[in-house]
Parts: sequence; C-alpha cells; structure tokens
Amino acid sequence: IAGITQAPTSQILAAGRRMTLRCTQDMRHNAMYWYRQDLGLGLRLIHYSNTAGTTGKGEVPDGYSVSRANTDDFPLTLASAVPSQTSVYFCASSDSSGSIYEQFFGPGTRLTVL
Amino acid sequence: GQNIDQPTEMTATEGAIVQINCTYQTSGFNGLFWYQQHAGEAPTFLSYNVLDGLEEKGRFSSFLSRSKGYSYLLLKELQMKDSASYLCVFMDSNYQLIWGAGTKLIIKP
Repeated sequence: IAGITQAPTSQILAAGRRMTLRCTQDMRHNAMYWYRQDLGLGLRLIHYSNTAGTTGKGEVPDGYSVSRANTDDFPLTLASAVPSQTSVYFCASSDSSGSIYEQFFGPGTRLTVL
Repeated sequence: GQNIDQPTEMTATEGAIVQINCTYQTSGFNGLFWYQQHAGEAPTFLSYNVLDGLEEKGRFSSFLSRSKGYSYLLLKELQMKDSASYLCVFMDSNYQLIWGAGTKLIIKP
C-alpha cells in the first residue's frame, strides 16, 4: 500500500441498504477525513478523526457514522442509504503535527443509491 | 458565515498565462490552499499561503491578501495537462478546510 486506498471504487446500492466504505492509509497520519463531492459544490466534510479513538462531526454528518479503532483505518458507514447520498466519497489524511496541514486524498468511491 | 467565491470556468491557450481568482469570507483564518483536481480523480495539493504575499513553485504561483480576503493562483506556460479544476480552500479557526466549488480550466491548443 502506498498512500491512501479506498474500497470499493464504485457501488450501486438499493435504498435502505447498509453500506460501509473502507479507507486505509499507510503514512501514519494522525488525522483522517471523509468528504463527499457533488456536482457544482465544494467538497463537504462528513466526519473527521484527529487521532485514533476519537471522531467528530463535519458539515454534513446526518445518515453517516465512522469509527477509528486504529491509526490506519477509517471506515464510513451508511446505516440506511437514501438517494440523496448518491455522490463521490473521498477519504483523506493529514499529519496535523506538521506546519502546512496538507491533506492527501484516496482515489474516491462513486456511490449510486437507487 | 463562511463563503468562497471563484469563477466556475475559464479558458486559456496553451503556452499562455492564466490567473484564477478567489475571494473568501470567514471569521477565523488559518491559511489558504489551492488544490488541483483532474476529472474523475482525487484533489492534489498545489500550494499553501498563510502570510500575505506571493509563493512561487515552478510554473505555479499563489498570492494571498488576508485584509482583502483574496487569493489568486497564477499558472504560467500553460500545458494541455493543466486542464483541470482548481479548488480554492481556506482553513477556518477550527483547522477545518472549507472548499470552494472549483474553477474548471480548459486549455486550448
């Protein structure tokens, strides 16, 4: 693994189903983030984690949950998917002990909820 | 509230120079980023400004004026591979990133 990986790459999901998007990083970054990107809008933060064992809510957390059991993994769960959750989901990480706070992104998961 | 404005789309010619402007409104500020995003791909970091002035990095430069809530990204010697969206992003007082919708830059031969 080099950087951040996400799985699956894309998924079509029936409304009401539960879905977990996976994210793994091997850079030992302390902070991780989940964003969604919709056409014509900027990336919107769903949830974040500043360090293993802690999580926080972003701008659009409703309908989503996260966990951070260890440094490397930060899964995002949709408990009961709805069509408005159709989007491209990006996971990112950063080393918040640095001076620039640059975020590194995974390749994204394209999710369609029907 | 917090807000970012940047043009939706710009067109430029290969070999030319283009400036992408960004204005922002926020009560707390911890720096401004520019990211590049090619279609279908993830954003990648281009630049970071926390103090007023110009930061130059190869063909790309980024400028910040905190008093005016204004930044621009300057791309020189444009290449076809520069066709992408350019995202203006600021870091708020809670160290969270607030993202603009991006400027789609189209490069023509």
